[in-house]
Amino acid sequence: AQSVSQHNHHVILSEAASLELGCNYSYGGTVNLFWYVQYPGQHLQLLLKYFSGDPLVKGIKGFEAEFIKSKFSFNLRKPSVQWSDTAEYFCAVYPVGSGNTGKLIFGQGTTLQVKP
Amino acid sequence: GAVVSQHPSWVICKSGTSVKIECRSLDFQATTMFWYRQFPKQSLMLMATSNEGSKATYEQGVEKDKFLINHASLTLSTLTVTSAHPEDSSFYICSASQDRGFIGTDTQYFGPGTRLTVL
Repeated sequence: AQSVSQHNHHVILSEAASLELGCNYSYGGTVNLFWYVQYPGQHLQLLLKYFSGDPLVKGIKGFEAEFIKSKFSFNLRKPSVQWSDTAEYFCAVYPVGSGNTGKLIFGQGTTLQVKP
Repeated sequence: GAVVSQHPSWVICKSGTSVKIECRSLDFQATTMFWYRQFPKQSLMLMATSNEGSKATYEQGVEKDKFLINHASLTLSTLTVTSAHPEDSSFYICSASQDRGFIGTDTQYFGPGTRLTVL
């Protein structure tokens, strides 16, 4: 079955530290990839997405992610986190292929806590 | 743009009653809407996909008679939890897409969610 795994469940960092959140998926075909963020008390917002082209994708708020097809990974990075980055981060995968009518498969989420 | 609202934001009900949750796309036409359920500290699980004017497609294991979905217009979808029980307590999130069936060039825009507590 298709699945998405986020290895870091809870990450605590100090401000200005660098961030990398792991995301791996299990699907052998073409995928569209997403990272969403959910700030406390708010709805999910799209951080960035990858459909094709340059595997290094830049998103909002200084975030970027790199798609490594051979590793089935789409890790999220930010060189210097801020307290305002405290939130829940979700990786999501859309397996492109016959039969998929829009189903996004989400990872279990990573809680990021940034200490001022 | 691309704002999705949900109403109510939270609801408490007695066991055995039915609860209706609305999902609206405020500034675009949502051909496809999705309903998710999120358990604490867990992932979002897709419950069903609804296309405007047609019956919803439910994921395996989701009871269609318990979770009634109606997508009667391009801006509104409703989820009705019928005869709710405490185990139905959860966070329900909808999302909307302008695409029908394929989101390769579009994304899903999420509502803020509805917290359902069944006593």
